[in-house]
Amino acid sequence: EPEVTQTPSHQVTQMGQEVILRCVPISNHLYFYWYRQILGQKVEFLVSFYNNEISEKSEIFDDQFSVERPDGSNFTLKIRSTKLEDSAMYFCARKSSGNTIYFGEGSWLTVV
Amino acid sequence: DQQVKQNSPSLSVQEGRISILNCDYTNSMFDYFLWYKKYPAEGPTFLISISSIKDKNEDGRFTVFLNKSAKHLSLHIVPSQPGDSAVYFCAASEGSSASKIIFGSGTRLSIRP
Repeated sequence: EPEVTQTPSHQVTQMGQEVILRCVPISNHLYFYWYRQILGQKVEFLVSFYNNEISEKSEIFDDQFSVERPDGSNFTLKIRSTKLEDSAMYFCARKSSGNTIYFGEGSWLTVV
Repeated sequence: DQQVKQNSPSLSVQEGRISILNCDYTNSMFDYFLWYKKYPAEGPTFLISISSIKDKNEDGRFTVFLNKSAKHLSLHIVPSQPGDSAVYFCAASEGSSASKIIFGSGTRLSIRP
């Protein structure tokens, strides 16, 4: 199945700045997810999104994070005021029918 | 709270031999299990999955075995090839269609010539 496309592939930002990560899924995908992997650690769930609403979020997904699908296609993750510990690889993922989640190539965020 | 555990951080196997990667879980509500392969700076790539109603699923060189009573699953790769060297993540989900998957900590597989 086709994957999702993520942009940017790599972003360096200063602490306290806002960051928007984008994901362009295929239009018939139903469920969308954001995951992240801090270097050397496991892949962690952030949030799931269905029918233009958050369906579940983890403890990591605090008020600094938000997701939206503003134009019905792009799916974005916004971090309002980045912290050093937000440095990680962020993965967009999607699921159509069935139970398998497919991941994008990731956006590497470095907060300095 | 580690619901999905991969207790071996690394594994080295000779090319041509069988690689066996293990995974344990604690949540009895999990009903779908997946294995992903991951290279550095890339997204996880789906390999193979198994539903809790089965105890084995095979796809080419990859076979996943599920032992529900022991809450244990394993991935067998045979024969192992150099391109199999990567980090392998076990993952699990429960219930609804929107359910997230929860990952284990991964096992780094190295295939030596």
